[in-house]
Amino acid sequence: DTGVSQNPRHKITKRGQNVTFRCDPISEHNRLYWYRQTLGQGPEFLTYFQNEAQLEKSRLLSDRFSAERPKGSFSTLEIQRTEQGDSAMYLCASSLQGNTIYFGEGSWLTVV
Amino acid sequence: GENVEQHPSTLSVQEGDSAVIKCTYSDSASNYFPWYKQELGKRPQLIIDIRSNVGEKKDQRIAVTLNKTAKHFSLHITETQPEDSAVYFCAASSGSGNTPLVFGKGTRLSVIA
Repeated sequence: DTGVSQNPRHKITKRGQNVTFRCDPISEHNRLYWYRQTLGQGPEFLTYFQNEAQLEKSRLLSDRFSAERPKGSFSTLEIQRTEQGDSAMYLCASSLQGNTIYFGEGSWLTVV
Repeated sequence: GENVEQHPSTLSVQEGDSAVIKCTYSDSASNYFPWYKQELGKRPQLIIDIRSNVGEKKDQRIAVTLNKTAKHFSLHITETQPEDSAVYFCAASSGSGNTPLVFGKGTRLSVIA
């Protein structure tokens, strides 16, 4: 499968724990995006990278959230001290410069 | 920043009828407008997009129209089929996709056989 790959697909964690999601973009894509989606809502932009540089972060991204793309390939999104309000699907997407963005299947997070 | 409003939030049509979903955007610099379809538990998938240098684009049973003056764009699905049932999202960005996409809240389309 040469699409955007995310793992884990599902994560249940206790409030206060840290979680990390990984995204592997389409191989030739230089841009990588993280979005968050809750039930009944559209994807909300969190942050994006061009190669290894993090170019923009949303105001939605609290200091408990950190994203990295160390070698310009895969990316990780870490949430520290999780809260129930963090429960959502975390979508990764990639694109070649400003062209069409392709989404992964998402990582579902449930904080109990 | 950009703000995208989408209407209606739910839409039910009889199989074979047409469906129209409308979006408005706030940033006059936006010039790229894609539409995504998301089935339950699946990823959003691009179905059609339009750039600001054209007013209409068609692909088989789906079409998108853009009115830059009024800052709105619409998705038209003709001859709807049960497999068209899904949530549809519009989005906008500026710089031909050089800024991140801002999405509408989605329209849940149900096609009744």
